[in-house]
Amino acid sequence: DGGITQSPKYLFRKEGQNVTLSCEQNLNHDAMYWYRQDPGQGLRLIYYSQIVNDFQKGDIAEGYSVSREKKESFPLTVTSAQKNPTAFYLCASSISWGNPQYFGPGTRLTVT
Amino acid sequence: QKEVEQNSGPLSVPEGAIASLNCTYSDRVSQSFFWYRQYSGKSPELIMSIYSNGDKEDGRFTAQLNKASQYVSLLIRDSQPSDSATYLCAVNENDYKLSFGAGTTVTVRA
Repeated sequence: DGGITQSPKYLFRKEGQNVTLSCEQNLNHDAMYWYRQDPGQGLRLIYYSQIVNDFQKGDIAEGYSVSREKKESFPLTVTSAQKNPTAFYLCASSISWGNPQYFGPGTRLTVT
Repeated sequence: QKEVEQNSGPLSVPEGAIASLNCTYSDRVSQSFFWYRQYSGKSPELIMSIYSNGDKEDGRFTAQLNKASQYVSLLIRDSQPSDSATYLCAVNENDYKLSFGAGTTVTVRA
């Protein structure tokens, strides 16, 4: 059963703590992406990766870090430097440029 | 970041009517266009892709693309209460990135 999984579904953390969000896909897609969505707003790109061991900053990369050691996995770390980390985080993947992106179920992060 | 504009709505239509959603984009070189449906609290789900000028139909959904005027639209025919959701327009920039509009919220009245 192919798809994208994200874990956990809900995550609660105290301010000042780093937290890592998991994203795994078994679609054999080359490209993977991380977005955040705030209430009533569109999706904003955090990081993306076209191939293993390579990734690029998106529009709002400050306070975030990623790795792409395996084609299937693209974890996102939200660091304590991120000023407003509470949001809905979405991972996506696509087979290549110009093709649609498919989304995982998302992780809702709350930092207090 | 390239601009993708949508009317935020809410767009309220009676059951059985046609819902018409519009999206304009700023980048003339964009080649790929997508519509996603997002139910409240859920992740976006791809419902339509369109790459060339004209209409593309899939069931009750029709996407229309006009590159000269830089707009893409989505028609939902015979609207059902299950179509109540936020619809996101997405446009490929000239690399791996998608630019998303803020979405149009559609409410179908039974």
